[in-house]
Amino acid sequence: GENVEQHPSTLSVQEGDSAVIKCTYSDSASNYFPWYKQELGKRPQLIIDIRSNVGEKKDQRIAVTLNKTAKHFSLHITETQPEDSAVYFCAAIIQGGSEKLVFGKGTKLTVNP
Amino acid sequence: KAGVTQTPRYLIKTRGQQVTLSCSPISGHRSVSWYQQTPGQGLQFLFEYFSETQRNKGNFPGRFSGRQFSNSRSEMNVSTLELGDSALYLCASSGRDEQFFGPGTRLTVL
Repeated sequence: GENVEQHPSTLSVQEGDSAVIKCTYSDSASNYFPWYKQELGKRPQLIIDIRSNVGEKKDQRIAVTLNKTAKHFSLHITETQPEDSAVYFCAAIIQGGSEKLVFGKGTKLTVNP
Repeated sequence: KAGVTQTPRYLIKTRGQQVTLSCSPISGHRSVSWYQQTPGQGLQFLFEYFSETQRNKGNFPGRFSGRQFSNSRSEMNVSTLELGDSALYLCASSGRDEQFFGPGTRLTVL
């Protein structure tokens, strides 16, 4: 089955710096890769996603890149702000079949003012 | 459009008891997935229901079960509760592409 590895587990940056979180997946059939942000005590919120037919996607300060050959994808946050502090989860799924998301273990991002 | 709702939000049970959690998906969504979130194991897939049928199942013991009704609302049941079942239980509603999570049910087993 699918396995998703996520690194780093914790990340601390200064406000205004960039943050990068990386994930690798094992099943080459996976074709949809969402990223979720979870603030303390709240539900995971979808912040950006990418499909296997696209190499990069950007939404304001957030971007995701996908390398299908290497089977890894990354989340990039530029100009970080204190409100970006949260736990970020990557996930992989084979769409078209069952809707079973396999999650990475999460990255706790702290943005220091 | 209303979001995913889960009830109850908090629950305290003792070992050996059973519990039923409920999830109402976004209107029009037919797929409901359940996840267990714990600090040690992260987010783990329990099972997914689509059109009242279990379509996929994770690696959890048979004490964890679920069902889905004709209106797409789903319930999950945990029997013979153990201390290790204490967790945040999240359901996710799936439409054409994305999955949207409910607020979760925080279960504490004493």
